[in-house]
Amino acid sequence: GAGVSQSPRYKVTKRGQDVALRCDPISGHVSLYWYRQALGQGPEFLTYFNYEAQQDKSGLPNDRFSAERPEGSISTLTIQRTEQRDSAMYRCASQNGLKVFFGQGTRLTVV
Amino acid sequence: TQLLEQSPQFLSIQEGENLTVYCNSSSVFSSLQWYRQEPGEGPVLLVTVVTGGEVKKLKRLTFQFGDARKDSSLHITAAQPGDTGLYLCAGALDGSSNTGKLIFGQGTTLQVKP
Repeated sequence: GAGVSQSPRYKVTKRGQDVALRCDPISGHVSLYWYRQALGQGPEFLTYFNYEAQQDKSGLPNDRFSAERPEGSISTLTIQRTEQRDSAMYRCASQNGLKVFFGQGTRLTVV
Repeated sequence: TQLLEQSPQFLSIQEGENLTVYCNSSSVFSSLQWYRQEPGEGPVLLVTVVTGGEVKKLKRLTFQFGDARKDSSLHITAAQPGDTGLYLCAGALDGSSNTGKLIFGQGTTLQVKP
């Protein structure tokens, strides 16, 4: 596609439910990143993949968060047993050289 | 503790004024990027600087990377209402093999009034 595509754009879920956020990177981009961004703040690194391999997950807040990219293209960020503090904008990005391209994000609200 | 300190956090100016946004750290970065983000959208890359002392210009925007690669600045000349947005600096730590694992500053919200 033309850009990084994320779905859904908005997700409201009840506390305790699991959610799955999807990212479709720019075609051919090897590296894919997940970030979390609070309103009016800069994004915060969560995890990244080269192809299908998860290279660094040091930014994942706890073990309720996981991510996968099984075929080296689309990635899914899963949050289990959601809590209100998980509410945020979740952004995916893919990289070409030094250029990082961000998606429009998924706004997650846990009620 | 914020690894990249960005200042000011908020800036409201009149059209035609000049402004400078600063990004400072005690850490060395292999590269530093500036992004602009509009409401409801993701950050969009403006520039990447990689060499200490490097200066890059993009129309009315001038970006500078500090000699020691620990700080950077963004200067906008004759600001226009279209420059309104959230400006973010982001750096890749020196020695990291991954230039996409970025440390972001807190952002500067710029409002340019006509």
